[in-house]
Amino acid sequence: DVKVTQSSRYLVKRTGEKVFLECVQDMDHENMFWYRQDPGLGLRLIYFSYDVKMKEKGDIPEGYSVSREKKERFSLILESASTNQTSMYLCASSISSGPPNEQFFGPGTRLTVL
Amino acid sequence: AQKITQTQPGMFVQEKEAVTLDCTYDTSDPSYGLFWYKQPSSGEMIFLIYQGSYDQQNATEGRYSLNFQKARKSANLVISASQLGDSAMYFCAMREGWSNYQLIWGAGTKLIIKP
Repeated sequence: DVKVTQSSRYLVKRTGEKVFLECVQDMDHENMFWYRQDPGLGLRLIYFSYDVKMKEKGDIPEGYSVSREKKERFSLILESASTNQTSMYLCASSISSGPPNEQFFGPGTRLTVL
Repeated sequence: AQKITQTQPGMFVQEKEAVTLDCTYDTSDPSYGLFWYKQPSSGEMIFLIYQGSYDQQNATEGRYSLNFQKARKSANLVISASQLGDSAMYFCAMREGWSNYQLIWGAGTKLIIKP
C-alpha cells in the first residue's frame, strides 16, 4: 500500500515564525503536492513537484515555498507564518503514468498560527 | 466560473438507504478524468472511484458507482446500502488532459448517515 506520512498532525506556531511541514512517500511516486483545505473552499493547490528539484506554483503560492531534494520527500515552508495561514495542510503523491494516476494523501497537518 | 460544482453542502440519509451525491463539471478539453474522494473526520483523503471521459461504462467499485452523464457534464456518486461508516465529507475532482497532474476540486458534501 502507498504510504504518505506527514511530520505532524497538529502544530501551533506564532506569527512571524518560520514553519516547516514535511511529507514523505514510500512508493517512488514522481509527483508530489501540497494543498491547504479550508471549510467550504475544498482543496486549493499551493505547490506541486513532478521531479526532484522541480516545482510549480499552484493556485495560492503566496507566502509559501517548497523544497524537493529527494524523490520521496517534499517540504512546505512558511517563511513568516501569519494568522491567515491557519488551516489544514494536506500532502499527496501520484505516479506520472496513467490514467487514472490518482493522488494518495497523507493524514494532514492542522496548523494554528497565533 | 466554477469548474467543479457540488451543490449539496450537507445531507442526512437513513442507514441502509442509497445515496446520490451530485457533481457537475465544466471543461472544454475532450480528455479528462473525474475522481471521488472520501474524507472521514480523521482527515485523510481516501480515493474511491475514477471515471475517464472516454470510458463507455459507468465506473463501479464495490458499493460505489459513478453515474456519468457526459452530455449533462455530471458525475454523481452513488453509494448503495449506506452504512454508519459512510459518514464523511465527499469531494469530487477533475483532471483536464491526460498529461496534467493537477486536480480541480469541488467544495465537498458532508454526508451524515442516521441509524
